[in-house]
Formats: sequence, C-alpha cells, structure tokens
Amino acid sequence: AQSVTQPDIHITVSEGASLELRCNYSYGATPYLFWYVQSPGQGLQLLLKYFSGDTLVQGIKGFEAEFKRSQSSFNLRKPSVHWSDAAEYFCAVGAEGTYKYIFGTGTRLKVLA
Amino acid sequence: KAGVTQTPRYLIKTRGQQVTLSCSPISGHRSVSWYQQTPGQGLQFLFEYFSETQRNKGNFPGRFSGRQFSNSRSEMNVSTLELGDSALYLCASRGTGDEKLFFGSGTQLSVL
Repeated sequence: AQSVTQPDIHITVSEGASLELRCNYSYGATPYLFWYVQSPGQGLQLLLKYFSGDTLVQGIKGFEAEFKRSQSSFNLRKPSVHWSDAAEYFCAVGAEGTYKYIFGTGTRLKVLA
Repeated sequence: KAGVTQTPRYLIKTRGQQVTLSCSPISGHRSVSWYQQTPGQGLQFLFEYFSETQRNKGNFPGRFSGRQFSNSRSEMNVSTLELGDSALYLCASRGTGDEKLFFGSGTQLSVL
C-alpha cells in the first residue's frame, strides 16, 4: 500500500540549531517527493520537490532534502533554524501522471529563542 | 497573480445539514484538488477535477461530492453532515504539466 510516514509528531529545537525532519515512504512507482510547510491558519506552501536526478535538492528558505532510494526516505534538513520556521511540515509523495498525492501526518516544529 | 481563494473561511453546521464549499483556482489553472485535514490524520485526498471532469477520487463516502465549472472554479458538497466531518478543507490548484500544488487557506468546518 502507498503510504508516507513522518515518525516525529513534534520536534523542538533552539534557534540557530540544525534541523532534520524524517520522512519515509512506500510507493510502487518511481515517486515524486515533496515537502510542504503550513503556518497556523494558512494553506500549504511548497518548500522543495524531487522528481529525478541529483538526490540532494535545494528549496526555499534555506531548506534541503536528500532522497535515499535504498532507505525509502526523503528527510528535510536546515543547517540553522530561525524562529520564523516554527510551523507544521508535511512530506508528500505522488507519481507522474497521477492526480492525487499522499501526505504524511505532519511534524510540528517549535523553535526556542 | 491572485492565489487560490476559498470561501467561506469558517463554517458552523449541525449534524444532518449539508454544506457547500467554494474554491477559485489560480488564473489559468485547470486542475483543482480537494483535501480534508484533521489533527493526527494529516491531509486526506478527496477528489481532483480537470476541465470539469473528475479524474480521481479518494476513499470518502458518497456524501462527499464535488464539481467544477467551465471557469475552473470548483465546489465541494457534503450532505448529511456528521460530527467526524469537522475538519479543515483545503483546495489546491495546479497548472497543466506542473506537479506543484498551490493551496488555499482552507475552509474550517465545525459540525455540532
């Protein structure tokens, strides 16, 4: 069955510390992978996406993610977290030509000043 | 370019009623998808429309339906509301050939 797992429901980091949010997926076809961010009361905004090619992808706001096929993972990273990064982060998977995406349950990030 | 617009922003209904939510996609986008977001469940795919045709549907009961108009605006209807239908309903539009979804701010539905 197709699924996306974000094992961490909540993560708290100090401002300036590094961040890694985990995402594991199960998908039969070659996946398209996404990370979205949702601020309170807002819709989701795309941070980055992976379709093919270089397995390390850069996104907006200083985020990056690495696709590891052998581990079925697509973890999101940021070297130095800012207070404005506090939000909920969603990993999603889809495939070319499909019209629906499977989202993880989200990781809520709290940033300590 | 205006973003995805969802109306209303908040809705309060009682069990058994029906509700209609509206979504206006980004100009030029012909694909509109709907998702239900609940705490702990993440986003669940409801359906996707393209040029007035439903192309895919998620695992929701028939009480959930939708449609798309010729101007790409979409509506979602939920009949015979249940308490469990309380959620944030998100609409997303997508340009042709683009896998990126643009989300609206959602409609927060509360069923009492």
